[in-house]
Amino acid sequence: QVQLVQSGAEVKKPGASVRVSCKASGYTFTNYDINWVRQAPGQGLEWMGLINTYNGNTNSAQKLQGRVTMTTDTSTSTAYMELRSLRSDDTAVYYCARGVLADYFDYWGQGTLVTVSS
Amino acid sequence: EIVMTQSPATLSVSPGERATLSCRASQSVSSSLAWYQQKPGQAPRLLIYGASTRAIGIPARFSGSGSGTEFTLSISSLQSEDFAVYYCQQYNNWPRTFGQGTKVEIK
Repeated sequence: QVQLVQSGAEVKKPGASVRVSCKASGYTFTNYDINWVRQAPGQGLEWMGLINTYNGNTNSAQKLQGRVTMTTDTSTSTAYMELRSLRSDDTAVYYCARGVLADYFDYWGQGTLVTVSS
Repeated sequence: EIVMTQSPATLSVSPGERATLSCRASQSVSSSLAWYQQKPGQAPRLLIYGASTRAIGIPARFSGSGSGTEFTLSISSLQSEDFAVYYCQQYNNWPRTFGQGTKVEIK
């Protein structure tokens, strides 16, 4: 069965960086994109960006460009999202989600809580 | 950026009743619209894509309709497990955008 398993919760200080991993199983990793979506406490869903796992091309939300990097390790079917220069409003649950034809998201990871606090 | 607006913010419904949720796009997204269900502490779950196609394993009581800028998610007879927050998402344009959500609560 398709599974996306994310790394554990993180606590970071403002200005630091965080890297979240997302290990996929149950399907051919390079046949689907991996998207990153975040959700601030009590808020809605915000799409951050996606990575084409076949060729490594990325597309990210303009507000995050310059701070976010998405990569993959196809040998381990793992996707990574790094967010730099963290601010308090980056505190959120970060989800990876499998993308179907770069469109909608059919399977999601369990989420990773990133807390940014001094 | 396409703005997705959902209404109402909260919908109070009795078990067994029908629920109708709305999603409006600031410009046409054709039929490139998905619906997700999210329960507290859980990741979202895909319900509907292509505005009206149910995802694998989704019960027939969930149905989606609409195209262009106006969309509807209907739940024909609410079960206890259906009380949750529902989000719409457009994938016609970049960036992908979500509505702010509709919470379906027990009346």
